[in-house]
Amino acid sequence: DQQVKQNSPSLSVQEGRISILNCDYTNSMFDYFLWYKKYPAEGPTFLISISSIKDKNEDGRFTVFLNKSAKHLSLHIVPSQPGDSAVYFCAASAGNQFYFGTGTSLTVIP
Amino acid sequence: GAGVSQSPRYKVAKRGQDVALRCDPISGHVSLFWYQQALGQGPEFLTYFQNEAQLDKSGLPSDRFFAERPEGSVSTLKIQRTQQEDSAVYLCASSLAPSFSQPQHFGDGTRLSIL
Repeated sequence: DQQVKQNSPSLSVQEGRISILNCDYTNSMFDYFLWYKKYPAEGPTFLISISSIKDKNEDGRFTVFLNKSAKHLSLHIVPSQPGDSAVYFCAASAGNQFYFGTGTSLTVIP
Repeated sequence: GAGVSQSPRYKVAKRGQDVALRCDPISGHVSLFWYQQALGQGPEFLTYFQNEAQLDKSGLPSDRFFAERPEGSVSTLKIQRTQQEDSAVYLCASSLAPSFSQPQHFGDGTRLSIL
């Protein structure tokens, strides 16, 4: 039972445009959400997080939106750059466990 | 380096052998996590330490898996009598605070292949 789902395995975006990565979750007890970025043969790198008491958090080109009623999380990257090409994982925590989605591979086309 | 270090990076073992995977967390980090990542999947939680105490091992797939962190820093994940389904990347992560509401810092993983 996948508690965190990323239904788009891949996404291609033109350089300079907006990238929107989506994530859905099933457990209403999740209280902390994160996005990680992963390059091949490396471990995931923390990108941005949001607590369940907020609906938006922004850090430079990266903004995370949380819609608790829809149990939906999204990551916006504006403007997208070729160096953003990577696999993006969303993650959520409840209690003392972390759950990751299956990842979305983002390709930013120069 | 200042990051989480895992060794070996790659490990090939024959089915039935025991393996040991090492994790050096960031100095001073209280929390340490192990994850298993199968091909094309996201990391799946295995176990969690706060200092030397193993507070959650509910994600360990069988009693062949064992993890320890005896002095509250370096951790070892041991897999006994390995099976082909154990083939995966094993990721270690650490975080400063004893809380799950903190970002975790990951190592580059150990890719385990069981023949």
